[in-house]
Amino acid sequence: AQSVTQLDSHVSVSEGTPVLLRCNYSSSYSPSLFWYVQHPNKGLQLLLKYTSAATLVKGINGFEAEFKKSETSFHLTKPSAHMSDAAEYFCVVRGTGANNLFFGTGTRLTVIP
Amino acid sequence: DTAVSQTPKYLVTQMGNDKSIKCEQNLGHDTMYWYKQDSKKFLKIMFSYNNKELIINETVPNRFSPKSPDKAHLNLHINSLELGDSAVYFCASSRTGYEQYFGPGTRLTVT
Repeated sequence: AQSVTQLDSHVSVSEGTPVLLRCNYSSSYSPSLFWYVQHPNKGLQLLLKYTSAATLVKGINGFEAEFKKSETSFHLTKPSAHMSDAAEYFCVVRGTGANNLFFGTGTRLTVIP
Repeated sequence: DTAVSQTPKYLVTQMGNDKSIKCEQNLGHDTMYWYKQDSKKFLKIMFSYNNKELIINETVPNRFSPKSPDKAHLNLHINSLELGDSAVYFCASSRTGYEQYFGPGTRLTVT
C-alpha cells in the first residue's frame, strides 16, 4: 500500500530564511510523488511532481524537492521564504490505480516578517 | 479562464435537506474527482469518474451520489444531510495517470 507521512504539522520560518518541509513515503514500487499547496480559503495547486525521472525536481515559486530512495523521503525546500509562501502544504503519493492519490496530513507553513 | 470551477462556493443548509454541488472543467480531461477535506485539513477521495464510469468509490455513505452528464461535468448530490457532512468539498480533474487540477472548493455547513 502507498502512503505518505508529513513529519511536521507546523513549520515556522523567518522571511528570507530557508524552508524545509519533510515527507517520507511508503510504496511497494517506484512511486509518483507530488507536492500541492493550499493557500487560505483556496483550492490546491500543484507545486511539483516526481515521476521517476530526475531525482531533483524543480517546481513553481522557487520550490524544489529531492527524491531519495535510500531514505524514502521527498522533502520540499526553498532557499528563501517569502511572505506569500505562508500556506498549507500537502505531500501526495499516487496509489496502485492510475488515478488514486493519497494525501499526507499537511504541514502549515508560517512565515514571520 | 478558470480551469476547474465549482458552485456554490459556500453552502449553508439544515440537517435532513438534499443539496447538490456542481463542478465543471474546461481542460479536456477524461477523469474527474470529488474530495472531502475535514476540519483538520485531511483530504480523502470520495469518487472519480472516467468516461462516465465510476472507478473509485471509497467508503462513502450512499447518501452521496456523483452524477456526470458529460466529460466536462461531475456533480455531487447529497441526500439527508447530516452534521458530520460539514466540510470543504473539492472537485478535481486530470488526464488518466497524470497530475490532478483542483477547483476552489465548496464549504458546506450543515446546521
